[in-house]
Amino acid sequence: DAKTTQPPSMDCAEGRAANLPCNHSTISGNEYVYWYRQIHSQGPQYIIHGLKNNETNEMASLIITEDRKSSTLILPHATLRDTAVYYCIVRARHNTNAGKSTFGDGTTLTVKP
Amino acid sequence: DAGVTQSPTHLIKTRGQQVTLRCSPKSGHDTVSWYQQALGQGPQFIFQYYEEEERQRGNFPDRFSGHQFPNYSSELNVNALLLGDSALYLCASSLGGTLVGEQFFGPGTRLTVL
Repeated sequence: DAKTTQPPSMDCAEGRAANLPCNHSTISGNEYVYWYRQIHSQGPQYIIHGLKNNETNEMASLIITEDRKSSTLILPHATLRDTAVYYCIVRARHNTNAGKSTFGDGTTLTVKP
Repeated sequence: DAGVTQSPTHLIKTRGQQVTLRCSPKSGHDTVSWYQQALGQGPQFIFQYYEEEERQRGNFPDRFSGHQFPNYSSELNVNALLLGDSALYLCASSLGGTLVGEQFFGPGTRLTVL
């Protein structure tokens, strides 16, 4: 799996959009971009994923650059409950070196009143 | 509809002992993946089970082994426990035996090795 780079922490005001960046410059053509989040003391929660096109669901939007070397997760109207660690992961359907099929250290997003 | 369940919630063991953790996947899911999450770090992939076989494995020693049962539930076994094995062990269920697709995580088992 490709390695990802995320800022360690970000703040966002409640009600504003939160934009979380992720760099994955070594991504391969068959690798998807996934986003999960983990609220303290809980298991990670799936948010969204994409391959090439931008994606949107009820939780968030995912913007992938044309060269696929980076992406941005957008929470359109952040609430206090969105405070969590957000993980960006890239992975293929099968991975012979799944030791890298892992979550990095993620971005700790703090939503402030 | 129950989500992913794991047992026990917490466990304390001493070095050299063996431990077995259990996971029941979300209804309708046939694939179980196990992760280790040390304090302050992201989850690290251990292995994945599909059709009762280990399909993919991360960089973990053979002390870590597993099993999947016909009802898709799974066990993670760790032998000869080390202090460094202290972590939150997460189980994730999904469909189809691949690493893509949405994974649903359980609440985890907190293992402390003394």
